[in-house]
Amino acid sequence: EAGVTQFPSHSVIEKGQTVTLRCDPISGHDNLYWYRRVMGKEIKFLLHFVKESKQDESGMPNNRFLAERTGGTYSTLKVQPAELEDSGVYFCASSQDLIVGYTFGSGTRLTVV
Amino acid sequence: RKEVEQDPGPFNVPEGATVAFNCTYSNSASQSFFWYRQDCRKEPKLLMSVYSSGNEDGRFTAQLNRASQYISLLIRDSKLSDSATYLCVVETGRRALTFGSGTRLQVQP
Repeated sequence: EAGVTQFPSHSVIEKGQTVTLRCDPISGHDNLYWYRRVMGKEIKFLLHFVKESKQDESGMPNNRFLAERTGGTYSTLKVQPAELEDSGVYFCASSQDLIVGYTFGSGTRLTVV
Repeated sequence: RKEVEQDPGPFNVPEGATVAFNCTYSNSASQSFFWYRQDCRKEPKLLMSVYSSGNEDGRFTAQLNRASQYISLLIRDSKLSDSATYLCVVETGRRALTFGSGTRLQVQP
């Protein structure tokens, strides 16, 4: 079974630019989550999709972040315009049932300079 | 106060040692509990779920005390490959996970 795939693995952009991160969940997983870890901090929840619907976006830091999951398959997370404090590792995860826990992707390491 | 508190370590132990990690959580409405393992610059990977009755998976034993809001992980007969950061993770019913900052374990030969 293919795991959760994230692209790109690394991205370095200048402040003010736009970056789009992509996540392909495990096939058949209705639940898709975005998390991020900024330097020196714990991993924090951003949002949760059930199929194509946003179930919970309470962790999104501000309106510079936009997540979509058209068709309920892959998801994108766009940061526009990027700020220095957006640097960190963005993880995507998917699950069919929380009882068995999530599977995380390997993350996108975003550096804003 | 953080929602999930862990001792950051590092715990430096010799091979073959037994080591225990503890974690406390603040939200009494928390419903599901997990230990994840994260290797350096890698993604978190589920190690085991934690149940009130306690559960064991090989050399790993997890315990949950709901009254004290306390979770533990015991690793017996430590291997070099156990060196990693161990994340205490709690789910509060919204299906979102709350992570502790992790406890670093270094097993030495």
